[in-house]
Amino acid sequence: GAVVSQHPSWVICKSGTSVKIECRSLDFQATTMFWYRQFPKQSLMLMATSNEGSKATYEQGVEKDKFLINHASLTLSTLTVTSAHPEDSSFYICSARGPARLAGGEQYFGPGTRLTVT
Amino acid sequence: GNSVTQMEGPVTLSEEAFLTINCTYTATGYPSLFWYVQYPGEGLQLLLKATKADDKGSNKGFEATYRKETTSFHLEKGSVQVSDSAVYFCALEYGNKLVFGAGTILRVKS
Repeated sequence: GAVVSQHPSWVICKSGTSVKIECRSLDFQATTMFWYRQFPKQSLMLMATSNEGSKATYEQGVEKDKFLINHASLTLSTLTVTSAHPEDSSFYICSARGPARLAGGEQYFGPGTRLTVT
Repeated sequence: GNSVTQMEGPVTLSEEAFLTINCTYTATGYPSLFWYVQYPGEGLQLLLKATKADDKGSNKGFEATYRKETTSFHLEKGSVQVSDSAVYFCALEYGNKLVFGAGTILRVKS
Protein backbone atom coordinates (compact mmCIF):
# COMPACT_ATOMS: atom_id res chain seq x y z
CA GLY A 1 0.00 0.00 0.00
CA ALA A 2 0.82 3.75 -0.04
CA VAL A 3 2.14 3.88 -3.59
CA VAL A 4 2.89 7.16 -5.34
CA SER A 5 3.47 7.36 -9.08
CA GLN A 6 4.93 10.08 -11.26
CA HIS A 7 4.52 10.66 -14.95
CA PRO A 8 6.53 10.97 -17.04
CA SER A 9 9.63 9.34 -15.62
CA TRP A 10 11.77 11.42 -17.93
CA VAL A 11 11.17 14.23 -20.37
CA ILE A 12 13.25 16.29 -22.76
CA CYS A 13 11.92 19.65 -23.88
CA LYS A 14 13.14 22.68 -25.76
CA SER A 15 13.99 25.92 -24.05
CA GLY A 16 10.96 28.19 -23.77
CA THR A 17 8.36 25.44 -23.69
CA SER A 18 6.32 24.27 -20.68
CA VAL A 19 6.32 20.82 -19.16
CA LYS A 20 3.76 19.23 -16.85
CA ILE A 21 4.64 16.50 -14.35
CA GLU A 22 1.92 14.47 -12.64
CA CYS A 23 2.04 12.95 -9.19
CA ARG A 24 -0.61 10.46 -8.13
CA SER A 25 -1.32 8.63 -4.89
CA LEU A 26 -2.60 5.29 -6.14
CA ASP A 27 -4.15 3.68 -3.08
CA PHE A 28 -4.76 6.45 -0.59
CA GLN A 29 -6.06 9.97 -0.49
CA ALA A 30 -3.32 12.52 0.00
CA THR A 31 -4.24 15.49 2.12
CA THR A 32 -0.89 17.06 1.41
CA MET A 33 1.60 16.68 -1.44
CA PHE A 34 5.14 17.96 -1.65
CA TRP A 35 7.42 18.75 -4.58
CA TYR A 36 11.17 18.43 -4.30
CA ARG A 37 14.05 19.13 -6.61
CA GLN A 38 17.27 17.14 -6.53
CA PHE A 39 20.52 18.21 -8.12
CA PRO A 40 23.25 15.66 -8.87
CA LYS A 41 25.00 14.48 -5.73
CA GLN A 42 22.91 16.81 -3.61
CA SER A 43 20.01 16.38 -1.28
CA LEU A 44 16.34 16.84 -2.04
CA MET A 45 15.26 20.46 -1.71
CA LEU A 46 11.64 21.16 -0.88
CA MET A 47 10.08 23.43 -3.47
CA ALA A 48 6.49 23.66 -2.31
CA THR A 49 3.75 22.13 -0.23
CA SER A 50 0.23 21.80 -1.55
CA ASN A 51 -3.03 20.91 0.11
CA GLU A 52 -5.98 19.72 -1.92
CA GLY A 53 -8.17 22.59 -3.05
CA SER A 54 -5.91 25.37 -1.88
CA LYS A 55 -2.94 27.29 -3.23
CA ALA A 56 0.51 25.83 -2.82
CA THR A 57 2.95 27.24 -0.31
CA TYR A 58 6.33 27.85 -1.92
CA GLU A 59 9.68 27.75 -0.19
CA GLN A 60 11.84 30.83 -0.16
CA GLY A 61 13.61 31.35 -3.46
CA VAL A 62 11.22 29.22 -5.53
CA GLU A 63 9.46 31.18 -8.27
CA LYS A 64 5.76 30.41 -8.00
CA ASP A 65 5.04 31.81 -11.46
CA LYS A 66 7.62 29.49 -12.97
CA PHE A 67 6.73 26.35 -11.07
CA LEU A 68 2.96 26.11 -11.12
CA ILE A 69 1.49 23.57 -8.74
CA ASN A 70 -2.09 22.35 -8.85
CA HIS A 71 -3.61 19.93 -6.35
CA ALA A 72 -7.07 19.56 -7.77
CA SER A 73 -7.99 16.25 -6.15
CA LEU A 74 -6.96 14.09 -3.22
CA THR A 75 -5.00 11.79 -5.51
CA LEU A 76 -3.41 14.11 -8.07
CA SER A 77 -1.00 17.01 -7.99
CA THR A 78 0.73 18.52 -11.00
CA LEU A 79 3.88 20.58 -11.36
CA THR A 80 4.19 22.69 -14.50
CA VAL A 81 7.56 24.16 -15.34
CA THR A 82 6.72 27.18 -17.47
CA SER A 83 9.07 28.64 -20.07
CA ALA A 84 11.68 26.08 -19.18
CA HIS A 85 15.37 26.89 -19.49
CA PRO A 86 18.45 24.65 -19.27
CA GLU A 87 19.00 25.65 -15.64
CA ASP A 88 15.63 24.04 -14.84
CA SER A 89 17.05 20.67 -15.82
CA SER A 90 16.88 18.51 -12.72
CA PHE A 91 15.28 15.55 -11.02
CA TYR A 92 11.84 16.41 -9.64
CA ILE A 93 10.35 14.23 -6.92
CA CYS A 94 6.92 14.37 -5.36
CA SER A 95 5.65 12.90 -2.15
CA ALA A 96 2.22 12.47 -0.69
CA ARG A 97 1.01 12.39 2.87
CA GLY A 98 -2.25 10.76 3.77
CA PRO A 99 -4.31 10.97 6.92
CA ALA A 100 -2.50 9.53 9.91
CA ARG A 101 -5.08 6.82 10.42
CA LEU A 102 -4.80 5.55 6.85
CA ALA A 103 -1.20 6.01 5.79
CA GLY A 104 0.65 6.58 9.04
CA GLY A 105 0.86 10.31 8.44
CA GLU A 106 4.20 9.77 6.72
CA GLN A 107 5.35 11.00 3.35
CA TYR A 108 5.41 8.46 0.53
CA PHE A 109 7.62 9.29 -2.41
CA GLY A 110 7.24 8.94 -6.15
CA PRO A 111 10.11 7.58 -8.26
CA GLY A 112 10.95 11.00 -9.68
CA THR A 113 10.96 12.70 -13.08
CA ARG A 114 14.14 13.58 -14.92
CA LEU A 115 13.71 16.85 -16.83
CA THR A 116 16.24 17.88 -19.44
CA VAL A 117 15.83 21.24 -21.15
CA THR A 118 17.80 21.69 -24.36
CA GLY B 1 18.34 26.91 10.63
CA ASN B 2 17.67 23.22 10.24
CA SER B 3 20.16 21.10 8.35
CA VAL B 4 21.44 17.54 8.03
CA THR B 5 24.99 16.45 7.29
CA GLN B 6 25.83 12.89 6.35
CA MET B 7 29.02 11.21 5.32
CA GLU B 8 29.99 11.36 1.71
CA GLY B 9 30.07 8.23 -0.32
CA PRO B 10 30.24 6.04 -2.04
CA VAL B 11 30.72 3.52 0.69
CA THR B 12 31.88 0.18 -0.67
CA LEU B 13 31.71 -2.91 1.52
CA SER B 14 31.97 -6.64 1.13
CA GLU B 15 28.95 -8.77 1.91
CA GLU B 16 28.51 -9.45 5.65
CA ALA B 17 30.60 -6.42 6.63
CA PHE B 18 29.48 -3.97 9.32
CA LEU B 19 27.93 -0.74 8.10
CA THR B 20 27.93 2.70 9.66
CA ILE B 21 26.71 5.81 7.87
CA ASN B 22 27.16 8.92 9.97
CA CYS B 23 24.47 11.58 10.21
CA THR B 24 24.44 14.74 12.31
CA TYR B 25 21.84 17.44 12.42
CA THR B 26 21.29 21.05 13.40
CA ALA B 27 17.82 21.99 14.48
CA THR B 28 15.77 24.25 16.67
CA GLY B 29 13.76 22.22 19.11
CA TYR B 30 13.56 18.46 18.91
CA PRO B 31 12.76 17.22 15.43
CA SER B 32 11.84 13.71 14.40
CA LEU B 33 14.66 11.93 12.58
CA PHE B 34 14.47 9.55 9.65
CA TRP B 35 16.49 7.33 7.38
CA TYR B 36 15.18 6.84 3.87
CA VAL B 37 16.51 4.40 1.28
CA GLN B 38 16.32 4.76 -2.48
CA TYR B 39 16.86 1.66 -4.59
CA PRO B 40 17.75 2.09 -8.27
CA GLY B 41 14.76 3.29 -10.27
CA GLU B 42 12.49 3.56 -7.25
CA GLY B 43 11.22 6.31 -4.97
CA LEU B 44 12.50 7.00 -1.49
CA GLN B 45 11.20 4.57 1.11
CA LEU B 46 11.14 5.12 4.82
CA LEU B 47 13.65 2.78 6.43
CA LEU B 48 13.31 3.80 10.07
CA LYS B 49 12.56 6.74 12.28
CA ALA B 50 12.86 8.05 15.83
CA THR B 51 10.75 10.78 17.32
CA LYS B 52 12.53 11.65 20.57
CA ALA B 53 15.90 11.50 22.26
CA ASP B 54 17.25 8.02 23.02
CA ASP B 55 14.66 6.38 20.76
CA LYS B 56 16.05 3.61 18.59
CA GLY B 57 14.55 3.05 15.18
CA SER B 58 15.05 -0.34 13.57
CA ASN B 59 13.98 -2.16 10.43
CA LYS B 60 15.38 -4.91 8.20
CA GLY B 61 18.47 -5.24 10.42
CA PHE B 62 19.23 -1.51 10.28
CA GLU B 63 19.31 0.55 13.47
CA ALA B 64 19.79 4.19 14.42
CA THR B 65 19.59 5.87 17.81
CA TYR B 66 18.49 9.49 18.34
CA ARG B 67 21.37 11.06 20.26
CA LYS B 68 20.49 14.54 21.46
CA GLU B 69 23.83 15.16 23.20
CA THR B 70 25.77 14.60 20.00
CA THR B 71 22.94 15.64 17.63
CA SER B 72 23.47 12.44 15.71
CA PHE B 73 21.44 9.65 14.14
CA HIS B 74 23.99 7.22 12.72
CA LEU B 75 22.75 4.29 10.66
CA GLU B 76 24.18 0.85 11.42
CA LYS B 77 23.78 -2.70 10.20
CA GLY B 78 25.71 -5.65 11.49
CA SER B 79 25.94 -7.63 8.25
CA VAL B 80 25.17 -6.05 4.91
CA GLN B 81 23.92 -7.88 1.85
CA VAL B 82 24.27 -7.14 -1.85
CA SER B 83 20.58 -6.24 -1.87
CA ASP B 84 21.30 -3.36 0.53
CA SER B 85 23.08 -1.49 -2.26
CA ALA B 86 21.18 1.79 -2.56
CA VAL B 87 21.31 5.47 -1.67
CA TYR B 88 20.58 6.29 1.97
CA PHE B 89 19.23 9.66 3.07
CA CYS B 90 19.15 10.99 6.61
CA ALA B 91 16.40 13.54 7.26
CA LEU B 92 14.77 15.56 10.00
CA GLU B 93 11.21 16.77 10.17
CA TYR B 94 10.13 20.06 11.63
CA GLY B 95 6.53 21.13 11.37
CA ASN B 96 5.24 19.55 8.20
CA LYS B 97 8.54 19.54 6.30
CA LEU B 98 11.44 17.19 5.74
CA VAL B 99 15.03 18.39 5.47
CA PHE B 100 17.38 15.89 3.83
CA GLY B 101 21.07 15.19 3.90
CA ALA B 102 22.92 14.81 0.61
CA GLY B 103 22.59 11.04 0.54
CA THR B 104 25.20 8.31 0.78
CA ILE B 105 25.65 5.70 -1.92
CA LEU B 106 26.23 2.21 -0.52
CA ARG B 107 27.70 -0.49 -2.73
CA VAL B 108 27.93 -4.02 -1.39
CA LYS B 109 30.09 -6.52 -3.26
CA SER B 110 29.61 -10.27 -3.10
